[in-house]
Amino acid sequence: GENVEQHPSTLSVQEGDSAVIKCTYSDSASNYFPWYKQELGKRPQLIIDIRSNVGEKKDQRIAVTLNKTAKHFSLHITETQPEDSAVYFCAASRFTGRRALTFGSGTRLQVQP
Amino acid sequence: EAGVAQSPRYKIIEKRQSVAFWCNPISGHATLYWYQQILGQGPKLLIQFQNNGVVDDSQLPKDRFSAERLKGVDSTLKIQPAKLEDSAVYLCASSEGQGSNQPQHFGDGTRLSIL
Repeated sequence: GENVEQHPSTLSVQEGDSAVIKCTYSDSASNYFPWYKQELGKRPQLIIDIRSNVGEKKDQRIAVTLNKTAKHFSLHITETQPEDSAVYFCAASRFTGRRALTFGSGTRLQVQP
Repeated sequence: EAGVAQSPRYKIIEKRQSVAFWCNPISGHATLYWYQQILGQGPKLLIQFQNNGVVDDSQLPKDRFSAERLKGVDSTLKIQPAKLEDSAVYLCASSEGQGSNQPQHFGDGTRLSIL
């Protein structure tokens, strides 16, 4: 089955700096890659997603890149703010066969004011 | 639109007792998921429903866990009997359509503590 590895497990940046979180996946049939933000005690919230027919997607300060050949995808947050502090999860799924999301282990991002 | 509703928010039981969780997905969402999130880990799928049919329950410990979605809308997840390792947050999520590569929206979860 699918295996998603995520790193780093913790990331501390200064306010205004950029943050990058990387994930690799094992199933070459995976074609959907969402990113979730989870604040302490709250629900995971979808912040951005990308499908395999696209190499990059941006939404204001957040961008995701996908390299299908290398089977990795990354989340980029620019101009970080203290409210970006949270745990971020990457995930992957395929459209056929076992179609559920497989999540990475999470990255705790701390933005220092 | 209203989000995914779950209840209760918290539950504390002793091992070997039983417990049930309830989920009401976003209106019109055909696909419903139950995930288990152990502290410090990512959510892990327990079961996926498409309308009222099971699509994937390969990771559901069927000797103690059961779930149903009788009318294709809300769903219940039950654990009987509970073990200490079942302590976790149980998240329900829903998505439109039939493919799993559609955005999933999560509820606030039920935090289960086993004593």
